[in-house]
Amino acid sequence: DVKVTQSSRYLVKRTGEKVFLECVQDMDHENMFWYRQDPGLGLRLIYFSYDVKMKEKGDIPEGYSVSREKKERFSLILESASTNQTSMYLCASTGASPNTEAFFGQGTRLTVV
Amino acid sequence: RKEVEQDPGPFNVPEGATVAFNCTYSNSASQSFFWYRQDCRKEPKLLMSVYSSGNEDGRFTAQLNRASQYISLLIRDSKLSDSATYLCVVNSYQLIWGAGTKLIIKP
Repeated sequence: DVKVTQSSRYLVKRTGEKVFLECVQDMDHENMFWYRQDPGLGLRLIYFSYDVKMKEKGDIPEGYSVSREKKERFSLILESASTNQTSMYLCASTGASPNTEAFFGQGTRLTVV
Repeated sequence: RKEVEQDPGPFNVPEGATVAFNCTYSNSASQSFFWYRQDCRKEPKLLMSVYSSGNEDGRFTAQLNRASQYISLLIRDSKLSDSATYLCVVNSYQLIWGAGTKLIIKP
């Protein structure tokens, strides 16, 4: 059974804290993505990575950074959390072929207080 | 214009009815297309891929119209358990997601 695993389902952090969200996939996928999902706005791409140590900005990268040191792991970092980063964060991965489906982690609901 | 557009709904449909919704996309070079289903507070999960010739999976039929640049999803004999948000996804260099169409099936 293929899996994308996010480190936490729920997180509560204080404003200004550094936050790490981890994502691990066991499908040997090349591509990994971080999205945030807010009511009425759908999935918005924060960053994605096509290979180890490679990263590209998505539509809303401000306030975030990422790290991909190993193929199976893609980390999202909030350098200084703010209340407007309260959201559901979803990690996804796909294979190299454009016809492959995306597999998602279960999501992390982050609340910044 | 958004790259992928969906009617957000909600579509309120009686149980047993047929419901259809479309998703339009702007990039004519898009290569692959999918429908995902997302339940409340859960992650999206693949419902079906969309092939050029159209494809069917039980009560669900997906179609692609490249000339008019839209994909469609038809649900026949709708069940209460079909209530969810349906997301269309277009793969053109990267995955582009629609914002989703909310479907509510009523008894």
